[in-house]
Amino acid sequence: QPVVTQSSSASASLGSSVKLTCTLNSGHSNYAIAWHQQQPGKAPRYLMHVEGSGTYRKGSGVPDRFSGSSSGADRYLTISNLQSEDESDYYCESWDSNTRVFGGGTKLTVL
Amino acid sequence: QVQLQESGPGLVKPSQTLSLTCTVSGDSISGVSYYWSWIRQPAGKGLEWIGHTYVTGSTTYNPSLESRVTISIDPSKNQFSLKLSSVTAADTAVYYCAREVPWFDPWGQGTLVTVSS
Repeated sequence: QPVVTQSSSASASLGSSVKLTCTLNSGHSNYAIAWHQQQPGKAPRYLMHVEGSGTYRKGSGVPDRFSGSSSGADRYLTISNLQSEDESDYYCESWDSNTRVFGGGTKLTVL
Repeated sequence: QVQLQESGPGLVKPSQTLSLTCTVSGDSISGVSYYWSWIRQPAGKGLEWIGHTYVTGSTTYNPSLESRVTISIDPSKNQFSLKLSSVTAADTAVYYCAREVPWFDPWGQGTLVTVSS
């Protein structure tokens, strides 16, 4: 089954860009993943899914500042022009026919 | 616009059964494209997938919880439900329901269930 790994924390300055990484385990490097944002005290919200090819498709209402990409077993979420409201936990998710898995989440701090 | 709403008791005693219902609006739960999932999150911790169901009633569960979990679906009410038996304090968490697309979208707002005597 897929396993996804994330860094526990990241930080970047207001107005700058940040790139978060989700890494798939061996044997699953071509799997798609999804990114979810969880603002403090709120439910997670789907942001986008990212294919192994690097193609990504965003959810409804997700700002243009959010984009996705891929390289090997790594899947990325890039947030440009960081805003204070982007300070959140970001989770990646992957799946196969038998299971759904989450990474441990990355806590993003906007400085 | 699809919306999901969890409901059920916020307090459950140890060793008893936790029961929650997710009501879906804006979409038919009988749609052939989707599975319907339960996910939980203990305070300050990450997300854990509990399991899912399909309109046919088929289910798949997280192996770590499989012995205690039952997920069922009621298309006539556009609802699906979660039962978790023999609960302990470790089952205290916010419980979310979500549609699988196959990624989770949308999510319900979540409901806090506390296991305490």
